[in-house]
Formats: sequence, C-alpha cells, structure tokens
Amino acid sequence: DTAVSQTPKYLVTQMGNDKSIKCEQNLGHDTMYWYKQDSKKFLKIMFSYNNKELIINETVPNRFSPKSPDKAHLNLHINSLELGDSAVYFCASSQDGLAYNEQFFGPGTRLTVL
Amino acid sequence: AQKVTQAQTEISVVEKEDVTLDCVYETRDTTYYLFWYKQPPSGELVFLIRRNSFDEQNEISGRYSWNFQKSTSSFNFTITASQVVDSAVYFCALSETAMNRDDKIIFGKGTRLHILP
Repeated sequence: DTAVSQTPKYLVTQMGNDKSIKCEQNLGHDTMYWYKQDSKKFLKIMFSYNNKELIINETVPNRFSPKSPDKAHLNLHINSLELGDSAVYFCASSQDGLAYNEQFFGPGTRLTVL
Repeated sequence: AQKVTQAQTEISVVEKEDVTLDCVYETRDTTYYLFWYKQPPSGELVFLIRRNSFDEQNEISGRYSWNFQKSTSSFNFTITASQVVDSAVYFCALSETAMNRDDKIIFGKGTRLHILP
C-alpha cells in the first residue's frame, strides 16, 4: 500500500532527450509537489499543485513542465535534457497546501543524463 | 526571508553514543513550523516531527528527542544510545505561516550521520 509512488525509480538517458516521471498518491491529498535533490543532497522545491492547479512554480527552466491530470497524479516532463538535470527527483503530497502539514515523499527517481 | 542552517555536514559516532544534530533557523514570522526528516541510505524521506512556533516544549519519542529554543532560533535533535540503523541524512526544515497554499518548506542542507558498529 504505497502512499506516494513514482515511476521509474531509475532513469538513464542521453542529453537532448525528452523524458517523463510519473507520480501517484493514494492518500486523498489535495496538494502534490516536485523536489529536486542534487548530488550534495540539497533538496529544493520545484513545483506544487493543489487540486490540479499550479500553485508554486520556482525558478525552474521551462524545459520542465509539470502536468496534473487529477489531484492524485502529478507528472514531470523534461524536454531537451542536460547534464545538469542529473539528480534525484522526489514527488511529495500533503493534505492541503498549508505549510504546517507534513509532506509524504515518494521513493525518488534517480535521473542520470549522459 | 527564511533560512535553515545545519552547520554539521557529517558526523560519525560509535554505536550507543548519544549524538545531537544542530539546526538554526531564520524567519521574520511569528507563526512558523519546524520539521525534521530522515533520509536513510535507501533514499526515501521520512517525516520525524513537526513543531509550531508557539510550542516550546521539548519532545521525546523513544530514543529521539528535540529541543526547541526560540531565544536562540534553534531546533536541535538528539539521538540517545545511537544504533547503526540511525545512519542517515537528517534534514531540518522550516515553513512560514499557515494561511496560503503557496507556503513552502525550506530544507537545510542536511547532516549525514554515520553510526559505527
């Protein structure tokens, strides 16, 4: 009964390719997030959606496009992959977008761009 | 602007020793929330605790305890009688206010804890 799941767990691809990472939560939460964790373990928010509506959009290259078909899913599509995109990407969810709520994280997707 | 500093990048202790992970935060808000998350070698992030700015009581959960001191803007985490399974990266985090759905959690850079057998 995985609460927040992501696929794939590992993704290895060439520069210039386009790839997607999928995320699903079965917690009934309204808000979902994408985070990027770099090689130094620094964790930074990229996007958040509340009930399919984009709420937080940090300074992220527009090659990154989140899509939320429904409130249980938040996918991340990345165009024209670059070496610097290599990182672990975490999906998370919380009950609503209010900051006092704990966030539940997925297992992460390790993206390696060659 | 909010900021979280975990000055200890990496700590190694021998099993059964006590260890304290430091966290210092900056915020202009009077209402804010502090968190600790654990990231074991398997990679997932696990929520440990949340504390709001109006509750300075220390918290104990088994071998884990947290010391929140507003006077020094610190929210330190102590593991008593450490075990090898405690080896992980630990993140302290801060969020300001609770009124907007665009509230963000800001994470510190993490402290990597090695418990040596």
